[in-house]
Amino acid sequence: GAVVSQHPSRVICKSGTSVKIECRSLDFQATTMFWYRQFPKQSLMLMATSNEGSKATYEQGVEKDKFLINHASLTLSTLTVTSAHPEDSSFYICSARDSLNSPLHFGNGTRLTVT
Amino acid sequence: GQQVMQIPQYQHVQEGEDFTTYCNSSTTLSNIQWYKQRPGGHPVFLIQLVKSGEVKKQKRLTFQFGEAKKNSSLHITATQTTDVGTYFCAGTNNTNAGKSTFGDGTTLTVKP
Repeated sequence: GAVVSQHPSRVICKSGTSVKIECRSLDFQATTMFWYRQFPKQSLMLMATSNEGSKATYEQGVEKDKFLINHASLTLSTLTVTSAHPEDSSFYICSARDSLNSPLHFGNGTRLTVT
Repeated sequence: GQQVMQIPQYQHVQEGEDFTTYCNSSTTLSNIQWYKQRPGGHPVFLIQLVKSGEVKKQKRLTFQFGEAKKNSSLHITATQTTDVGTYFCAGTNNTNAGKSTFGDGTTLTVKP
C-alpha cells in the first residue's frame, strides 16, 4: 500500500529558531500533499495544500510567511516553521494521495515542542 | 465553506456493546473516508465510500454512505478493547481542489 514517511517524529527547539519537517511519498507520486495541525484531543486542521512545482495554497488564518511550504518534487514536501514560538507547539501531520479520488495516506506526524 | 459535523464527541462502552458514530456534511460529497487514530498515533485509513447508499463491511465494522451523499456512519458490533481510539470521518468534494474536511472525531473508550 501507499506509504508516506514523515521526519522527524519529534523535535524540541528553542523559541526563535526554525524547524523543517519533511514528508515523502515512498512508493507513489503525489502531485498534491496536505499539511495538518492537530491540537490535543482535537481534529485535524488543514493548514495548506502543497502543490508540486507551484506555490502552496494556505487556508484562511494560516500565516504563509510563518509556515513555509516547499514541494520540490513529486515525492517530497517540506514544512518549515519559522521563528518558532511556544504557541506553535503542536502535532503536525502530512498526507498525500496518488489520485484525486483515492484516500489520504498520512505520515506518522511530528510532535513539535518549542521551549 | 464545507463543514463536516461528527457525533458523538465521546462514547464510553462496555466491552461487547455496540458503537456508532455519525457524520453529516453541509454539502454533497464526492466521497467520504473513515480513519482511526490511536492515542499518540497518526490517522490510519479504514475505508472509502463513493457511491450513494453504499454499505461496506470490515469484520465487525459496518460503514454506510447516505443516499444524498451528505451523511455517513460507522457501526462497530460487539466492541473489543482493541477498538479504542478516535474515529474521524473526512469528506471530500472534488470541486474543492480535492481537499478533505475532517469531522471532529469520536473518541471511543471500551471498558473490559
